[in-house]
Amino acid sequence: DGGITQSPKYLFRKEGQNVTLSCEQNLNHDAMYWYRQDPGQGLRLIYYSQIVNDFQKGDIAEGYSVSREKKESFPLTVTSAQKNPTAFYLCASSIQVAGTGTEAFFGQGTRLTVV
Amino acid sequence: KQEVTQIPAALSVPEGENLVLNCSFTDSAIYNLQWFRQDPGKGLTSLLLIQSSQREQTSGRLNASLDKSSGRSTLYIAASQPGDSATYLCAPMDSNYQLIWGAGTKLIIKP
Repeated sequence: DGGITQSPKYLFRKEGQNVTLSCEQNLNHDAMYWYRQDPGQGLRLIYYSQIVNDFQKGDIAEGYSVSREKKESFPLTVTSAQKNPTAFYLCASSIQVAGTGTEAFFGQGTRLTVV
Repeated sequence: KQEVTQIPAALSVPEGENLVLNCSFTDSAIYNLQWFRQDPGKGLTSLLLIQSSQREQTSGRLNASLDKSSGRSTLYIAASQPGDSATYLCAPMDSNYQLIWGAGTKLIIKP
C-alpha cells in the first residue's frame, strides 16, 4: 500500500537528549513537511522540503533539524535546544498534479514526551 | 498574513442530522483548499480538495463549497453517523504552496 509511515508512534526523551523521528513515503511525492501539533492549536510548520537535498525552515524551526538525502525519507531531529518538545509530530507529503492541484497526505504521527 | 478561523470550535448533535462546518480565511489569494479529518491520537485523513477555480466538491455524504472572494468554505455532512465523530480541519494553500491551518472543529455525533 502507498502511504506515509512515521515511526516510532510514541517516543520518550530525557532532558538534554537528541531524538530522531522517522518519516518515509512511497508515494513518489517531491515535497515533504514536518508539523507540530499542540492541544487546541492549529498545526505549525517546522521544516519543509520541495526536492531532494534542499529544505527550508518553517515558522518554528528553532531546536529542530532535518535532512533530505533521499526522496522517500525526511527525518526530523529534535535537539536539546528545543526547550518544550512535548507534542504530537506529523509528517506530510504532497505532489502537484495538473488539473487536480496540490494535495497533501499525512502519516499517523509520533507523540514525543519529555521525561 | 493568512489566518484561518473555524466555527464552531465544537459541535455535538444527534445522529442523523445534517450539519455544516464553517471555515474562513483572510487572504483570498489561495491555490486550493483541503478539508481533513483527524481522529484522536491519529494523523490527518484528506477528505476533499477544492481547487481555487472550483465552487464545490462532493464525496459520498460530504460536500465542500468554496467562495474564494469572500474567504469562506463550508463542509456539509449529510445524515451524520457516530463514526463521523472527529476533529475536522480546513487548510487553504497559499501562493507559496504552504497549507495554513485553523484550530479545527471537534464534532461529536451522539447515537
